Amino acid sequence: DVKVTQSSRYLVKRTGEKVFLECVQDMDHENMFWYRQDPGLGLRLIYFSYDVKMKEKGDIPEGYSVSREKKERFSLILESASTNQTSMYLCASSPRGSFHGYTFGSGTRLTVV
Amino acid sequence: ELKVEQNPLFLSMQEGKNYTIYCNYSTTSDRLYWYRQDPGKSLESLFVLLSNGAVKQEGRLMASLDTKARLSTLHITAAVHDLSATYFCAVDYHQGAQKLVFGQGTRLTINP
Repeated sequence: DVKVTQSSRYLVKRTGEKVFLECVQDMDHENMFWYRQDPGLGLRLIYFSYDVKMKEKGDIPEGYSVSREKKERFSLILESASTNQTSMYLCASSPRGSFHGYTFGSGTRLTVV
Repeated sequence: ELKVEQNPLFLSMQEGKNYTIYCNYSTTSDRLYWYRQDPGKSLESLFVLLSNGAVKQEGRLMASLDTKARLSTLHITAAVHDLSATYFCAVDYHQGAQKLVFGQGTRLTINP
């Protein structure tokens, strides 16, 4: 069964901490994405990557960075966590050239206190 | 900038009734996706609509796409409780590179 795995389901971090959210996929997909989900706002794209070491900003990249050193792993980094980054974070992947949508991970609910 | 709007955002209905969720989007695209999300869970793919006039059906759910009107509908027939979930539509706005913009989601509650 193909999978996108996010390392943590729930995280609680303090304001100002550096936070790493990890995502690993076992489907050999080229494309990987990070979204955040907030009530009433749907999913908003933070960053995405079309290949190893490639990254592009999405619609709301401020306060975030990413790393893709290996094809299967895409990390989201909160350089200095703030309370307005409390959210559900969803990782997704898709194969290059596919039009069949994404496979999503189970999500990480991050609370910044 | 592509905007995707769903309505209604909240829908409470009785079992056995029919209803439709609407998804409007602001710029040209012929690729639209519907996802389902159960509480506390991730998103599950329901339908992929890849051309004007596309219609897909699975059980009591049917989705259609009108690219000229920039509108997709998700129709629920004779609703049952286990269809209670949040439904999202998403539009691909980056030709060939698949970058999805999501609607706000419609929270559907089906009461016995």
